[in-house]
Amino acid sequence: QVQLQESGPGLVKPSETLSLTCTVSGGSISTYYWSWIRQPPGKGLEWIGYMYYSGSTNYNPSLKSRVTISEDTSKNQFSLRLSSVTAADTAVYYCARGGITKFAVWGKGTTVTVSS
Amino acid sequence: DIVMTQSPDSLAVSLGERATINCKSSQSVLYSSNNKNYLAWYQQKPGQPPKLFIYWASTRESGVPDRFSGSGSGTDFTLTISSLQAEDVAVYYCQQYYNTPVTFGPGTKVDIK
Repeated sequence: QVQLQESGPGLVKPSETLSLTCTVSGGSISTYYWSWIRQPPGKGLEWIGYMYYSGSTNYNPSLKSRVTISEDTSKNQFSLRLSSVTAADTAVYYCARGGITKFAVWGKGTTVTVSS
Repeated sequence: DIVMTQSPDSLAVSLGERATINCKSSQSVLYSSNNKNYLAWYQQKPGQPPKLFIYWASTRESGVPDRFSGSGSGTDFTLTISSLQAEDVAVYYCQQYYNTPVTFGPGTKVDIK
């Protein structure tokens, strides 16, 4: 059974770059599309983007200029980088299996706070 | 972007009673070539990730109790809990996966009256 685990700093300073990693266990990253989704405190869900192991990516236009999603197939991981963060980027960040699809497998989420 | 709206924002239902949540998309999410609605429902409890409950608008995910059902087509969809149980207290989100960007509704909070 595939399991996902997010990791990364819980605190990022404004204007810096947020970097998170999702480790996939119980399955190969080379088989599916993989997404990042976030949820600001007390708010709804926002899809950030997806990647496919071939290097294909697709980002939410609202974040496209600041987002990079990449993979490390040797470690069975994929990563999120979000540049020039502000307080509005404070959220729980989830990784999930899937691209333009339903999301049946999610990580537990990691909280990222943007503050000086 | 396809904008998803949900109603009501919240509802309180007595145990054993029916709960109905509505979801509307700003454009049709019915793909004519396969007659499938690209619409999913999730349940989210505090401190947990969303859990997929319904996909293709009406197909229950494995393990989801049959008191949960999804219906609708095109732009209007409904999630029904036929007999509310205490463990159903949660926020429910609809999501379209018809095109990119994938978008979610704002959520409906379900509580016990």
